[in-house]
Amino acid sequence: DGGITQSPKYLFRKEGQNVTLSCEQNLNHDAMYWYRQDPGQGLRLIYYSQIVNDFQKGDIAEGYSVSREKKESFPLTVTSAQKNPTAFYLCASSIQSSTGPLNIQYFGAGTRLSVL
Amino acid sequence: AQKVTQAQTEISVVEKEDVTLDCVYETRDTTYYLFWYKQPPSGELVFLIRRNSFDEQNEISGRYSWNFQKSTSSFNFTITASQVVDSAVYFCALTEETSGSRLTFGEGTQLTVNP
Repeated sequence: DGGITQSPKYLFRKEGQNVTLSCEQNLNHDAMYWYRQDPGQGLRLIYYSQIVNDFQKGDIAEGYSVSREKKESFPLTVTSAQKNPTAFYLCASSIQSSTGPLNIQYFGAGTRLSVL
Repeated sequence: AQKVTQAQTEISVVEKEDVTLDCVYETRDTTYYLFWYKQPPSGELVFLIRRNSFDEQNEISGRYSWNFQKSTSSFNFTITASQVVDSAVYFCALTEETSGSRLTFGEGTQLTVNP
């Protein structure tokens, strides 16, 4: 089945700990994204990557880090510097078109992160 | 800067009623794309539709229809004869040609369809 897999579904973080959320896609998409969703709010972009070994900060990148060593993988690390990490995290991917933002983003099922 | 406003935080209807979800956007670009996504209780966002700024034709897909009006910067979504399975949070989103792949989402509308 083609799609985007996020793991784990639920994650708990202790104070001062870094945690990493996994996102894998087998859609052969070039671009991948991480969003944060808080209750009653829309999605906010954390980081995105349009190509392997390159990524850009989104609107709320502070306290987060990413890597893009492989086309199919885009892990997100929530560092201890992120003081309010409790949220629902969604990963997405899209094709990257040179003719314009032909960018229907397809989403994974999300990871719910809570602080212990 | 781009912005999307979904003024309706929550809507509750009875099954078989028609319901319209409002979306108003702001952009300075002449080329942009608008989207609607559905987020069921499982959490995954499901793509529903994409429109570009040069195509103002309304679209119908089964019980779903979309009304795009550039004059009022609106892209409203109507569900006809709603069903309980339509209960979800619906997001409107916008991307400008100059912003590459970045999507700006509205805050979402929680639709509850009661039997």
